Amino acid sequence: SQKIEQNSEALNIQEGKTATLTCNYTNYSPAYLQWYRQDPGRGPVFLLLIRENEKEKRKERLKVTFDTTLKQSLFHITASQPADSATYLCASRAGGYNKLIFGAGTRLAVHP
Amino acid sequence: EAGVTQFPSHSVIEKGQTVTLRCDPISGHDNLYWYRRVMGKEIKFLLHFVKESKQDESGMPNNRFLAERTGGTYSTLKVQPAELEDSGVYFCASSQDAKSRNEQFFGPGTRLTVL
Repeated sequence: SQKIEQNSEALNIQEGKTATLTCNYTNYSPAYLQWYRQDPGRGPVFLLLIRENEKEKRKERLKVTFDTTLKQSLFHITASQPADSATYLCASRAGGYNKLIFGAGTRLAVHP
Repeated sequence: EAGVTQFPSHSVIEKGQTVTLRCDPISGHDNLYWYRRVMGKEIKFLLHFVKESKQDESGMPNNRFLAERTGGTYSTLKVQPAELEDSGVYFCASSQDAKSRNEQFFGPGTRLTVL
């Protein structure tokens, strides 16, 4: 079945460094991938969408890549700040339907 | 612009009881989705409304779950009777155009605890 996998271990980095989160997908070829941010007690908030024909997408300090050969997307936060601490979710549309399938998310902790 | 709202924020019920969750999507959004996250697992799709019609209900776990969206505005998700495994956080999301772009706007979720 279609599956998205993210590193379930928390990522701890120092303020100012670049955080890199990984999303791998199996058993399908998504037309696009989305990244969401989720804070405790809140719903996911959309950050970026990257299509399969786009290798890279940027938005302020965020950068997302999409490698269809590796079946992987990387999510980078440059010059990270403690306020970037949250869980980051990778998601994509499943098949021809509009429902999203999600990875389990990676918790990022940025330490001052 | 008001976001997606959900009510209640928390609900604690006993096994066998009934609970109804409500979702108010962003005004003008025809697409409404219900998702659920159970402890330690990823967020999983339950169903999708386009206006008042159920477009896809492939994620509904069983017939104890009933979703409605009368009039194509707010939606309710009823669990009757609730079981222990129904505990989790139920998210509602809405989107405007389901074809070209699938950015979904999520509500804060309803945390359901079944004792």
